[in-house]
Amino acid sequence: AQSVAQPEDQVNVAEGNPLTVKCTYSVSGNPYLFWYVQYPNRGLQFLLKYITGDNLVKGSYGFEAEFNKSQTSFHLKKPSALVSDSALYFCAVRDEAGNMLTFGGGTRLMVKP
Amino acid sequence: NAGVMQNPRHLVRRRGQEARLRCSPMKGHSHVYWYRQLPEEGLKFMVYLQKENIIDESGMPKERFSAEFPKEGPSILRIQQVVRGDSAAYFCASSRLTSGSTDTQYFGPGTRLTVL
Repeated sequence: AQSVAQPEDQVNVAEGNPLTVKCTYSVSGNPYLFWYVQYPNRGLQFLLKYITGDNLVKGSYGFEAEFNKSQTSFHLKKPSALVSDSALYFCAVRDEAGNMLTFGGGTRLMVKP
Repeated sequence: NAGVMQNPRHLVRRRGQEARLRCSPMKGHSHVYWYRQLPEEGLKFMVYLQKENIIDESGMPKERFSAEFPKEGPSILRIQQVVRGDSAAYFCASSRLTSGSTDTQYFGPGTRLTVL
């Protein structure tokens, strides 16, 4: 069975500082990894995904994520946080043959001015 | 290009009533997925459908829940005889390609069901 862990319920960072939201996964075979962001009372917005190739993936709104196979991690990063980045972030995994996404529990990012 | 549409956005039902949630996928997408999000939790997969076919319903409760995606019209998630534990946000996602592909699932705004 596949699983995703987001070890931090909340991450606090000052505006302008770099941010990291952690994600580790477990899956059979090669993973397909995704990050989504959820604003209050809204649906999930796709940020980026890793399928194959370069371990550093760039996505929307200046976010990027680094795939590390040996550590089974896919941490989300941004060089300089904005107050508007404050939201709930979800990491998700799918195996090569699968249909469903398995989500982590989410990490609330708070960016303070 | 409109995204995934869901309606209603908010639904209030009393215990024992039926809830019908609708989802229209993005244009050009023929694969629909339903997920449920309980308060303060991540999303949990419920069911995956293609037109007129249920492909994977491994996440669906065995009773009271059903889903369809007819040839014409939106996908419907139906919950019969709702109970308070059904209160949650229900999200629909759609994708263009088949399972096992590298395609992305795009999510709708969700339907927030409250059972009184």
